Amino acid sequence: GAVVSQHPSRVICKSGTSVKIECRSLDFQATTMFWYRQFPKQSLMLMATSNEGSKATYEQGVEKDKFLINHASLTLSTLTVTSAHPEDSSFYICSARTSHGELFFGEGSRLTVL
Amino acid sequence: QQQVKQSPQSLIVQKGGISIINCAYENTAFDYFPWYQQFPGKGPALLIAIRPDVSEKKEGRFTISFNKSAKQFSLHIMDSQPGDSATYFCAAADTGTASKLTFGTGTRLQVTL
Repeated sequence: GAVVSQHPSRVICKSGTSVKIECRSLDFQATTMFWYRQFPKQSLMLMATSNEGSKATYEQGVEKDKFLINHASLTLSTLTVTSAHPEDSSFYICSARTSHGELFFGEGSRLTVL
Repeated sequence: QQQVKQSPQSLIVQKGGISIINCAYENTAFDYFPWYQQFPGKGPALLIAIRPDVSEKKEGRFTISFNKSAKQFSLHIMDSQPGDSATYFCAAADTGTASKLTFGTGTRLQVTL
């Protein structure tokens, strides 16, 4: 299947700092990428839809000023958690859609805010 | 409102047995039904997917059965192995509207020796 790379896989930061997570589709172009958040032993919660060349669409209850999404190219989307706090600690996962409509996920990024 | 209901929440199967996980959906616009396998600390991996034009799809030991009229689909894992122990998520999407996946709540599968 298609490969989606996510970086970093783990990040620890101090409260109040910002953290950027990258999501890359390595062997295909993705006009649409998605960002999810997953709490322990729970399902994935869609945060936002990232569209190349336009503003991201956020799900209800997700603060767009807190979670900045940029889809700068057909192979790269970034999620920046601004002014991170301990409650933002979570597992963040991106997915990218192929031209056939299949969705492939990255390996996830574990964020720990101290 | 949960649009994809998944059961059971957890499942223990002996090695060599058949693991069966069921999902039901509500939105008749859904036309793409993938299953994902997730190991702890990893992202979900696409296992197998089906579209409504077929009632069954098989890939190796994994089979999806799809019942459009009942709005249900299931994953069967034949000859289950300890390496299959993971969390499985069903999902559904309306590919006509940006393919946003709606996930089931997940099934934690444990395959014992």
